[in-house]
Amino acid sequence: DIVMTQSPESLAVSLGERATINCKSSQSVLHSPNNKNYLAWYQQRAGQPPKLLMYWASTRQSGVPDRFSGSGSGTDFTLTISSLQAEDVATYYCQQYYDPRPWTFGQGTKVEIK
Amino acid sequence: EVQLVQSGGGLVQPGGSLRLSCAASGFTLSTFWMTWVRQAPGKGLEWVASINQAGSETRYVDSVKGRFTISRDNARNSLHLQMSGLRAEDTAVYFCARVGGYNYFDFWGQGALATVSS
Repeated sequence: DIVMTQSPESLAVSLGERATINCKSSQSVLHSPNNKNYLAWYQQRAGQPPKLLMYWASTRQSGVPDRFSGSGSGTDFTLTISSLQAEDVATYYCQQYYDPRPWTFGQGTKVEIK
Repeated sequence: EVQLVQSGGGLVQPGGSLRLSCAASGFTLSTFWMTWVRQAPGKGLEWVASINQAGSETRYVDSVKGRFTISRDNARNSLHLQMSGLRAEDTAVYFCARVGGYNYFDFWGQGALATVSS
């Protein structure tokens, strides 16, 4: 199984400041034939289902604000919120879909307002 | 608008059974893999089971193999998870989700709580 490890477990950021979340996979999720990273990011607000934010590591899902960006390749990835808003308070999960036997998620990173 | 509306869940004793359902609308269910993901209280997300478009291929996380059965009824636009031999560690909110074109989960149901306790 591909193990996904996120850091930090939680972070507190002031409104308008940058938040950075890291995700590391135990093996590469880069598919060489199409040069795509099979890595997604989800946002889960308290009491809500997860919401797809990003796929292919850096492609925003329709409707996701452009203050969210994703980067990285191979085994190391980053989700950045460029200017934290109150509605961004949530737990964020990375997920690999390179090998769906099984699909695996990171343990989550909780983002709060400082 | 894509919608996944869940039903089922509840309190069941250890060893008991529970059936979760997920009603799909706003898209053609028969053209997508579907999946179940669970979240134990205060914990992260865990993939549980998936099923292909025709229902001919299923996949399960090792911890539920032989106890859970995922199924679908494309004619009725519905997805199901039959859970039996339930254990305390199966207590979780269960989400149904659509598997997008390349295996990420692009739409999710609202979740249903299954509590296993005596």
